[in-house]
Amino acid sequence: DAGVIQSPRHEVTEMGQEVTLRCKPISGHDYLFWYRQTMMRGLELLIYFNNNVPIDDSGMPEDRFSAKMPNASFSTLKIQPSEPRDSAVYFCASSLAGGFTKNIQYFGAGTRLSVL
Amino acid sequence: AQSVAQPEDQVNVAEGNPLTVKCTYSVSGNPYLFWYVQYPNRGLQFLLKYITGDNLVKGSYGFEAEFNKSQTSFHLKKPSALVSDSALYFCAVRDITGRRALTFGSGTRLQVQP
Repeated sequence: DAGVIQSPRHEVTEMGQEVTLRCKPISGHDYLFWYRQTMMRGLELLIYFNNNVPIDDSGMPEDRFSAKMPNASFSTLKIQPSEPRDSAVYFCASSLAGGFTKNIQYFGAGTRLSVL
Repeated sequence: AQSVAQPEDQVNVAEGNPLTVKCTYSVSGNPYLFWYVQYPNRGLQFLLKYITGDNLVKGSYGFEAEFNKSQTSFHLKKPSALVSDSALYFCAVRDITGRRALTFGSGTRLQVQP
């Protein structure tokens, strides 16, 4: 498997614009996680899904952030409107509920977002 | 609530020497514990985990970690450091009965000098 795939790798946008980050989890994984990494706050969980259903979105900073998982192989994280303080690296991760590798989260390479 | 503390922002060690990266945790129940490594401009890579059983866990690239319940610690160790081990290391925890998401520590930068 190619692992968790995120796109784009880099995104530069202007304040007020809509930004959409994309994630393709590892095939067969039933959990998907979105994290944000900044120097100030470290690695923070934003939201996670189980079988495409959002389970915990308590980490989503505010209503400008939304996430969807329309099917088992695709998820999006949208920021509308974007602000400079949203600049960060956004990671997607996936994991299995069972089996030998259960509980291990596999991370994508991340999307580096810069909001000017 | 669960939390992880990595008390050292950076650890410096000479190549060939043993290394230790410290981690302490807090959970309300029994923990699942993990170590991940992050190289520049890359995502986090899984190194090892403790779920149950033997307190000494062996992982990738010669790393190991010791679970100490009384001290609530899960320190990462390697007998002989390599320059290529230089990276950012994260400890993470979740309660086995709680939500699936991990809580990560702030990270420790390991610098191995030739």
